[in-house]
Amino acid sequence: GAVVSQHPSRVICKSGTSVKIECRSLDFQATTMFWYRQFPKQSLMLMATSNEGSKATYEQGVEKDKFLINHASLTLSTLTVTSAHPEDSSFYICSAREGSYEQYFGPGTRLTVT
Amino acid sequence: AQSVTQLGSHVSVSEGALVLLRCNYSSSVPPYLFWYVQYPNQGLQLLLKYTSAATLVKGINGFEAEFKKSETSFHLTKPSAHMSDAAEYFCAVTFGGQNFVFGPGTRLSVLP
Repeated sequence: GAVVSQHPSRVICKSGTSVKIECRSLDFQATTMFWYRQFPKQSLMLMATSNEGSKATYEQGVEKDKFLINHASLTLSTLTVTSAHPEDSSFYICSAREGSYEQYFGPGTRLTVT
Repeated sequence: AQSVTQLGSHVSVSEGALVLLRCNYSSSVPPYLFWYVQYPNQGLQLLLKYTSAATLVKGINGFEAEFKKSETSFHLTKPSAHMSDAAEYFCAVTFGGQNFVFGPGTRLSVLP
């Protein structure tokens, strides 16, 4: 089946710094990639949708200047958390869509901001 | 607006007992429906999906789900629970190729 990877799997950064998370589709070309955020014991919250070569579409309430998304190729999307604060600590999951509906999920990245 | 509800944020069953996790959706168009399992600090693993073919869908690890249009439901079942089934389960819906809408999740505990 289709495989999506994320790197790093966990990262600790200091408050005020930026951190980049990569999402790759390993064996297919993803026309669309999605970024989700998951708080402890909660469901996934869609942050943004990105299409290769175009600007990401952010969900209401998500700061586009804080969560920078780049989808430079059909196999790679990156999420950069800028000027991170402790409240940005969370589990970030990406997914990739090849065709019309099914999404394949990455293993997630645990971000801890100290 | 489309939505997904999962009745019961936490379900406990004994090992060997029937597992029933409930999922209901609201939609004005035919949905595609999914069940995912998530183990601690891991991503989502697809258990099964309904995409307008057979209404009874069989998935991995002995799970199955039945799409009932009249009840707008897609409940997940497994005849006999195993300790390794303890995890968080999410029902998700997509409508006409749009973004996924996830339910709030149900934590399944399996008691020895």
